[in-house]
Amino acid sequence: EVQLVESGGGLVQPGGSLRLSCAASGFTFTSYAMIWVRQAPGKGLEWVSSISGTGASTYFADSVKGRFSISRDSSKNTLYLEMHSLRADDTAVYYCAKYRVVVAAPAEYFQHWGQGTLVTVSS
Amino acid sequence: QSVLTQPPSVSGAPGQRVTISCTGSSSNFGAAYDVHWYQQLPGSAPRLLIYANSDRPSGVPDRFSGSKSGTSASLAISGLQAGDEADYYCQSYDSSLNAWVFGGGTKLTVL
Repeated sequence: EVQLVESGGGLVQPGGSLRLSCAASGFTFTSYAMIWVRQAPGKGLEWVSSISGTGASTYFADSVKGRFSISRDSSKNTLYLEMHSLRADDTAVYYCAKYRVVVAAPAEYFQHWGQGTLVTVSS
Repeated sequence: QSVLTQPPSVSGAPGQRVTISCTGSSSNFGAAYDVHWYQQLPGSAPRLLIYANSDRPSGVPDRFSGSKSGTSASLAISGLQAGDEADYYCQSYDSSLNAWVFGGGTKLTVL
């Protein structure tokens, strides 16, 4: 059974940094691209970042480009989202999800989702 | 404003059929990118409901169906049940933004 468990969320001051983790199990981690999607309180879903199965290709939404980085550790079956220069509008539940294939291809969708971790940016 | 446009809410009585529209443009649906649908029950994570316009993952009842034509797509739910109350999101890819995009979401209320 595919399981994705996010952690690392919490309260951070504006301008601060945070690293989110997503522990994956139940599938061959390196065979699938992964994605981070966020949802601000009471709002809809927003794509944040994607990474290929090998980690060689990464993609970012314009709203986080230059501030966030994405990576993965195949030895730990874990996906990461490193967030810097956090702003109030980064406040959201952050979900990790799994693609269907190894590449983050445009036509692809997100098969399995974690339960999310809440990031609150506030002073 | 979302790149994909959905009605904020729809409602229907138990047993009825409802549809949720998702309107795109020439840079997403019109560029032949597929539409996918997710269901988000209250307090839960999103769940894949329909992929590649009209296919259902295993475990999704055939009461849920999807279609896409031109720059529009729709999700139909027949035989409405109380447990279908949720937010529904369409998703695709936009070649102008080079981004995976979601609709704003539609809240389904079962009366």
